[in-house]
Amino acid sequence: AQSVTQPDIHITVSEGASLELRCNYSYGATPYLFWYVQSPGQGLQLLLKYFSGDTLVQGIKGFEAEFKRSQSSFNLRKPSVHWSDAAEYFCAVGTGFLKLVFGTGTRLLVSP
Amino acid sequence: EADIYQTPRYLVIGTGKKITLECSQTMGHDKMYWYQQDPGMELHLIHYSYGVNSTEKGDLSSESTVSRIRTEHFPLTLESARPSHTSQYLCASSRDRGSYNEQFFGPGTRLTVL
Repeated sequence: AQSVTQPDIHITVSEGASLELRCNYSYGATPYLFWYVQSPGQGLQLLLKYFSGDTLVQGIKGFEAEFKRSQSSFNLRKPSVHWSDAAEYFCAVGTGFLKLVFGTGTRLLVSP
Repeated sequence: EADIYQTPRYLVIGTGKKITLECSQTMGHDKMYWYQQDPGMELHLIHYSYGVNSTEKGDLSSESTVSRIRTEHFPLTLESARPSHTSQYLCASSRDRGSYNEQFFGPGTRLTVL
C-alpha cells in the first residue's frame, strides 16, 4: 500500500537559518509528489509538486524540493526561513487517477 | 487562484443534531473530496466524487453522507452528530484531466460536538 512518512513531528529553526523537512514515500510506480503548507485554522496550500523531469522543483515562497528515486525521498528545503513560515507542512503522494496519501505532517516553529 | 469555499468555518453543536457542512468551488472541477483531520494527524479521505451523481466512500469509514447534484457543490451531512465526530473537515477539488491529483483545498470547517 502507498504510504508517506514524515519522520519529524516538530522542527525548530532560527529565523534566517536554512530548513530541510524530510519526506519518504512508498509507492510502486512513478509517484506524483506534493508539498502542502497549512497555517493555523486554514486549509492546505500547495507549495510545489513533482510529476516528471527535473528532480529539483521550485515552488512558491522560496521553497524547493528534490526528488531522489533511489532513496524514495522528496525533501523540502528553504535557504533562509522567515517567521511567517511557521506552519504545518504535509508531504503527499498521488496514487493513480484520483487520490492523495498524506504524511502526518511536520510542525515548523521559527525562533527569533 | 483556487476558489473553494466552506461554510461554516466553525460550528459547535449538541449531540444528536443534524448538520450539513457546505463546500462549493467555482473552478468547474469534476473531482471533489472530503477529508477529516484530527490535531497533529494526517488527513484521512472520507468521501470523494468523480462528478455529478457520483459519490464514493474514502479510506476512512465515516458516518457522514455526501451528495453531488451540481458540479460546484459537494455538501457533507451528519444525521446525528456525536462527540466522536469532533474534528476538522477539509473539502478539496481537482481537475478531471492532466492534474495528476493536484488538489485545491478550502479553509476547512472545525466541528465541535458537545
